[in-house]
Amino acid sequence: AQSVTQPDIHITVSEGASLELRCNYSYGATPYLFWYVQSPGQGLQLLLKYFSGDTLVQGIKGFEAEFKRSQSSFNLRKPSVHWSDAAEYFCAVGAWGANNLFFGTGTRLTVIP
Amino acid sequence: DGGITQSPKYLFRKEGQNVTLSCEQNLNHDAMYWYRQDPGQGLRLIYYSQIVNDFQKGDIAEGYSVSREKKESFPLTVTSAQKNPTAFYLCATTTGGVSEAFFGQGTRLTVV
Repeated sequence: AQSVTQPDIHITVSEGASLELRCNYSYGATPYLFWYVQSPGQGLQLLLKYFSGDTLVQGIKGFEAEFKRSQSSFNLRKPSVHWSDAAEYFCAVGAWGANNLFFGTGTRLTVIP
Repeated sequence: DGGITQSPKYLFRKEGQNVTLSCEQNLNHDAMYWYRQDPGQGLRLIYYSQIVNDFQKGDIAEGYSVSREKKESFPLTVTSAQKNPTAFYLCATTTGGVSEAFFGQGTRLTVV
């Protein structure tokens, strides 16, 4: 069965510290992987995506993610967090020809001064 | 300016009332989706449509209905059969296959 697990419900980091948000997936086909960010009361914005090729992908706002097939993971990282990064982050998995993206339950990021 | 427009942003429904949420897109995308978002539960698929005049149930379709008469529009009706409709509703589109999803700004529905 297809599923996405984001084991951390809430993470708090200090501004300027590094960040890693975890995502593990279970998917029968070759996965397409995505990270989205959502500010309160807003829609979701795509941060980055992985379809194939280089397993380290760069996204917007200084984010990157690494696809590790052996671990079924697609963790999101940022070397130095800014206060404006406080939001909710969603990992999603899909595939070519699939009808839907499967989303994780999200990780809420709080940034403290 | 291309995008997805959801309206209204806030909607209040009385018990036993049907309400319709609007979703319009000018991205010329074929597929459109409705998701429901509740705290701590991520996004759950209600309905999706990959082509005009055709749509499919998602994981939580009970109490909801949709139509797809035009490529640009995919309205969602929350019927009185939906017992717990208070939630944040998101409309999304994708191009052919599953590339990436583009989202509207959402509608917050509250039962009063």
